[in-house]
Amino acid sequence: KAGVTQTPRYLIKTRGQQVTLSCSPISGHRSVSWYQQTPGQGLQFLFEYFSETQRNKGNFPGRFSGRQFSNSRSEMNVSTLELGDSALYLCASSFDEVTNNEQFFGPGTRLTVL
Amino acid sequence: DAKTTQPNSMESNEEEPVHLPCNHSTISGTDYIHWYRQLPSQGPEYVIHGLTSNVNNRMASLAIAEDRKSSTLILHRATLRDAAVYYCILVTGANSKLTFGKGITLSVRP
Repeated sequence: KAGVTQTPRYLIKTRGQQVTLSCSPISGHRSVSWYQQTPGQGLQFLFEYFSETQRNKGNFPGRFSGRQFSNSRSEMNVSTLELGDSALYLCASSFDEVTNNEQFFGPGTRLTVL
Repeated sequence: DAKTTQPNSMESNEEEPVHLPCNHSTISGTDYIHWYRQLPSQGPEYVIHGLTSNVNNRMASLAIAEDRKSSTLILHRATLRDAAVYYCILVTGANSKLTFGKGITLSVRP
């Protein structure tokens, strides 16, 4: 079974630009979550999509958005990039709620904002 | 979300058992206890989870105190590959998010 894949793996942008990151979950998984990891804040939850609907949302500004397609693939978008958005963005998938299911993480997309 | 408390770091010797503690004194009856780990330069990896009873899988064992206010992740024979940051996380109800703390950094000596 293929794992969670994320593209691109590395990205360099400049302040003010926008970026779109892509995530393909494990086949059969309907829940896709996104996390941001920085040295200062650690791993923080961004949002979760289930069957094309946002089901949970973390405490991030509206510049961070996402969507999920009918095949469960997900994208997240960050508009008007700031230097502080430089981070590792991790996508994770699970069959359903993670309360009683394991979540599988992808390798992440390393975003650098200059 | 209910919080967990873990030591900052722990050292162990290769091929010896490792006991990683976690305190969660404000746990509620519907909170599941999850453990994830993150190896250097990788995304987090699921280790184990449980609600009330002790759990075993191929990677580790999870021992949950009777009052559920603490738990211990047990690696039966540590290997160098087990050196990672281990996160103890409480997940509640229909909340599909993992709230990561700072975790405990495990070092394994050859």
